[in-house]
Amino acid sequence: AQTVTQSQPEMSVQEAETVTLSCTYDTSESDYYLFWYKQPPSRQMILVIRQEAYKQQNATENRFSVNFQKAAKSFSLKISDSQLGDAAMYFCAYKKDNAGNMLTFGGGTRLMVKP
Amino acid sequence: NAGVTQTPKFRILKIGQSMTLQCTQDMNHNYMYWYRQDPGMGLKLIYYSVGAGITDKGEVPNGYNVSRSTTEDFPLRLELAAPSQTSVYFCASSYRGTGAYNEQFFGPGTRLTVL
Repeated sequence: AQTVTQSQPEMSVQEAETVTLSCTYDTSESDYYLFWYKQPPSRQMILVIRQEAYKQQNATENRFSVNFQKAAKSFSLKISDSQLGDAAMYFCAYKKDNAGNMLTFGGGTRLMVKP
Repeated sequence: NAGVTQTPKFRILKIGQSMTLQCTQDMNHNYMYWYRQDPGMGLKLIYYSVGAGITDKGEVPNGYNVSRSTTEDFPLRLELAAPSQTSVYFCASSYRGTGAYNEQFFGPGTRLTVL
């Protein structure tokens, strides 16, 4: 079974600074997808960024980027120019590439942004 | 579009009571999912459905039942509620299960407490 591990229960960053959240996963599959979700206090799950395992290029969405290391099974999220609105729980998630498949989530990292 | 809607938002049950959590999506998505999120943890899949009339177990199905009579609705039934079922329940939907770009859209969650 796949597992997703987020080793940082909490992180803090100064506003306008950069922070990196870590995620490692375990899988025997070669084709899969990785995601970062943001969960603010409203509880709504919001997709931040996604990465296909077959792509070597790291995904980027505005201030959010990933460092995908397939051999190391590592998938970290970098948030640049942190904003107060970035404060939330962040979840790393894994999905196999076949029909009807579930997302497997890590335990989450709580990000605090200091003004 | 309302997206994925869930009712109720909050509920307190007594041990042994039953209830149904409602989930509706208006995006004509084929796939629907139920997750639970325990305090400080990531989401775990309870059940999922790949289309009307078809359901399958996820990681933590015990104590729950689902049905999928229409594309839009995917209710989750709790029989004989237990304190271990105290959690936040999320419904999600996606167009299909494969590919990174068939992302799952989440509802706002139902906070359930069993006393």
